[in-house]
Amino acid sequence: SQQGEEDPQALSIQEGENATMNCSYKTSINNLQWYRQNSGRGLVHLILIRSNEREKHSGRLRVTLDTSKKSSSLLITASRAADTASYFCATALGTGTASKLTFGTGTRLQVTL
Amino acid sequence: GAVVSQHPSWVICKSGTSVKIECRSLDFQATTMFWYRQFPKQSLMLMATSNEGSKATYEQGVEKDKFLINHASLTLSTLTVTSAHPEDSSFYICSAPGWRATGYTFGSGTRLTVV
Repeated sequence: SQQGEEDPQALSIQEGENATMNCSYKTSINNLQWYRQNSGRGLVHLILIRSNEREKHSGRLRVTLDTSKKSSSLLITASRAADTASYFCATALGTGTASKLTFGTGTRLQVTL
Repeated sequence: GAVVSQHPSWVICKSGTSVKIECRSLDFQATTMFWYRQFPKQSLMLMATSNEGSKATYEQGVEKDKFLINHASLTLSTLTVTSAHPEDSSFYICSAPGWRATGYTFGSGTRLTVV
């Protein structure tokens, strides 16, 4: 079964607005990662946050992690039309560099002009 | 950065035939690669873990005789869908672990359509 649930399933916003996506997972993790997928393409790694970190930034992206609630959020600020894509959280259970990733259900983001 | 090249990007085949999908790590060695399957508007489901020089590890419910995985070198893993049927039509994606905090690198995916 899927490790993570994401909400919302779909999100439509206007350019310039912020987009927030949430991810919940079920078991203890080593790290949590966020990926973006454009339609019909592979996944692009956005950001990785370790289990002992609470917040991380990368450009317009801000990720938080609350291990007590087993949840994470991805905030995209000042969204652009090019941000339109599906976003997935993924959890790595093991500590090795080749740990399996389990993906959440994904959020489809649509940014309109 | 790390690049994984996946080919073909799309393929149409007849029922009963076999299709091979290749994933190559271009600028790094990948002793482990992962193969995923994705249905439209759904998430990625891990099919198997490909290990260089040894047998692949399949997830529960994945038929190992139908989805043959070979990882003969440190830069190449292949997935062969044998005796394909229309229900095998899907998007298949490979990935390889990256360096520490850089996440995993994914191939561009293969759209398989079985007619």
